[in-house]
Formats: sequence, structure tokens, C-alpha cells
Amino acid sequence: DTEVTQTPKHLVMGMTNKKSLKCEQHMGHRAMYWYKQKAKKPPELMFVYSYEKLSINESVPSRFSPECPNSSLLNLHLHALQPEDSALYLCASSQDERGRTGELFFGEGSRLTVL
Amino acid sequence: SQQGEEDPQALSIQEGENATMNCSYKTSINNLQWYRQNSGRGLVHLILIRSNEREKHSGRLRVTLDTSKKSSSLLITASRAADTASYFCEEEGAQKLVFGQGTRLTINP
Repeated sequence: DTEVTQTPKHLVMGMTNKKSLKCEQHMGHRAMYWYKQKAKKPPELMFVYSYEKLSINESVPSRFSPECPNSSLLNLHLHALQPEDSALYLCASSQDERGRTGELFFGEGSRLTVL
Repeated sequence: SQQGEEDPQALSIQEGENATMNCSYKTSINNLQWYRQNSGRGLVHLILIRSNEREKHSGRLRVTLDTSKKSSSLLITASRAADTASYFCEEEGAQKLVFGQGTRLTINP
């Protein structure tokens, strides 16, 4: 199984809502990532978890809260978002954290719209 | 974070022609990787080139790396309509994981 599964595929939420994005992989990878991608732009790294511990937070606002319950799951909790947070949120995994020579495996993304 | 630059930003060619995309980066790297993204989908890994390598091939793909110029190129030979996508380089350096701006490639039948 070489898949990274993201749910939901689409999410529409109001600025006062609380929602979560979920990501799952069963490749035994020990590093997982959240990226944000705006239209016609490259993915921007948000968070990296390595061995279930947060290792990189790219100065992401606290309205985004990551969680790694176990080595196969990665969540992104959303609260009090702004319309400019509307984007494609991509989850990825790799065998180990970067600084190694492995590739990233990406999910298909969750398209988030904040009204 | 700094992001590398790719050129061209958009490239439109006829099916069967070769497509070349370039990526420049600013800091020293350990590895450079190329990814492809179909519209609104996840990214798919194409090829990795290490900092001590100069050229790698994979099927119709050829990647070169020039660390003295801090640049890499991706060549797709004998292009097909299915190659239509955005292509991103990703520089992997100490403490930095940065995608380039990307090249939007369109293959016209």
C-alpha cells in the first residue's frame, strides 16, 4: 500500500466553525507533513512530525493545530479560520524525516473553503 | 521561507517535442527532487538527484544538476498529452525544505 489518504476531499466552513482534516498512511513512514497550497503557487510547508513528535512548525498561526495520534495518522484541527486560509491542504509522508534521501508521498489533498 | 525559482513559469509545446524546465536555488543542498502535479491533485515524485550527482535518467526524464550555478533542469523527451501538469523542484538543504515556483507544462495534441 503506497497511498496517503486524506479526508475530507472538500470542506466548506464558516469562520466560527471547528473542523478537522485527517491524513492516514500505512507505509510504515515515520515522518508526516502538512502543506498548504494556494492556486498556481507551490506547496508551502506548515508542519513536520517525526516519530510522532512535532519537529518543524513554520510559524503557522495557532488557528491551525496539528496532532499526530500515532505513526499512521495526522490531523489538522481548524478553528476560527479566515477566508484567506482557503486553499488545498496536502498531507505527505516519508520514510524518515528530511535530510535523508527518500521521497515524499502525497495525498490528493483537502480543498478547504472558508466563508 | 525562500523559494527557488523555476523557468519558464509556463510552457506550451506540441506533442512529441521535448520540454525543458529549469530550477534555480539559493542555498547549498543535500538533494534536489522533482515532482509533478496534475491540476488540483497531490504531487507525485519523479526523480531525486543528490548533490554529488550531475545527471540522472528515468524513462523519458533526464535531470541535471549544476551545484556551481545552483541550478537543475528537467528534460521530458517525446512529450505526450498526459504530461500536461505542473512540475516543481524541491530543494532539500540543511533545515530547509523548499519547493520552487513551478512550471505549468501544456502539451498540445
